[in-house]
Amino acid sequence: EDQVTQSPEALRLQEGESSSLNCSYTVSGLRGLFWYRQDPGKGPEFLFTLYSAGEEKEKERLKATLTKKESFLHITAPKPEDSATYLCAVQAHSGGYQKVTFGTGTKLQVIP
Amino acid sequence: GAGVSQSPRYKVAKRGQDVALRCDPISGHVSLFWYQQALGQGPEFLTYFQNEAQLDKSGLPSDRFFAERPEGSVSTLKIQRTQQEDSAVYLCASSPSEQTNTEAFFGQGTRLTVV
Repeated sequence: EDQVTQSPEALRLQEGESSSLNCSYTVSGLRGLFWYRQDPGKGPEFLFTLYSAGEEKEKERLKATLTKKESFLHITAPKPEDSATYLCAVQAHSGGYQKVTFGTGTKLQVIP
Repeated sequence: GAGVSQSPRYKVAKRGQDVALRCDPISGHVSLFWYQQALGQGPEFLTYFQNEAQLDKSGLPSDRFFAERPEGSVSTLKIQRTQQEDSAVYLCASSPSEQTNTEAFFGQGTRLTVV
């Protein structure tokens, strides 16, 4: 069964203090690994999809990387508006099934 | 343009009552997903439609849960004989592609509380 584990559960950073969020995964064959941002009371907002080990994608202060076992979301010089829960999800090659498995998220708080 | 719209935003149901949750995806989007999100947890996959075809319903937790998308646009998630454990936020997401390993756009969700 596909599994996604995110760490830490919560992270508190000072504005400008760079850090990384971790997503460890186990799938039978990776079709895609996704990062989403979720603000309270809202649906997840898409950030990135990564498809193969070694791939990297960047958007503003965020950079996502992927290995065969884990993905990192690096946040450079975060601002208070980056405060949110960051969700990692995977989709596996699994005989026609379209299931996307999410982790429980990392709740990030950036203090001014 | 408009995003994914879900209604109602909040629903309180008495245990045993049937409920229907509506999702209006972005116009022209082929793929549509339903998820269930419990408090403090990540979304859990329920079911997937490609146009009007329900291609994957492996995540539906019981036969009390039923979803449809008869004309390949609006979708309804129906829960019969609601139980307290059904209390959660129900999220709908749509995508323009048949390839489901791409970006999906989520609605704000319907918060269901069963009392």
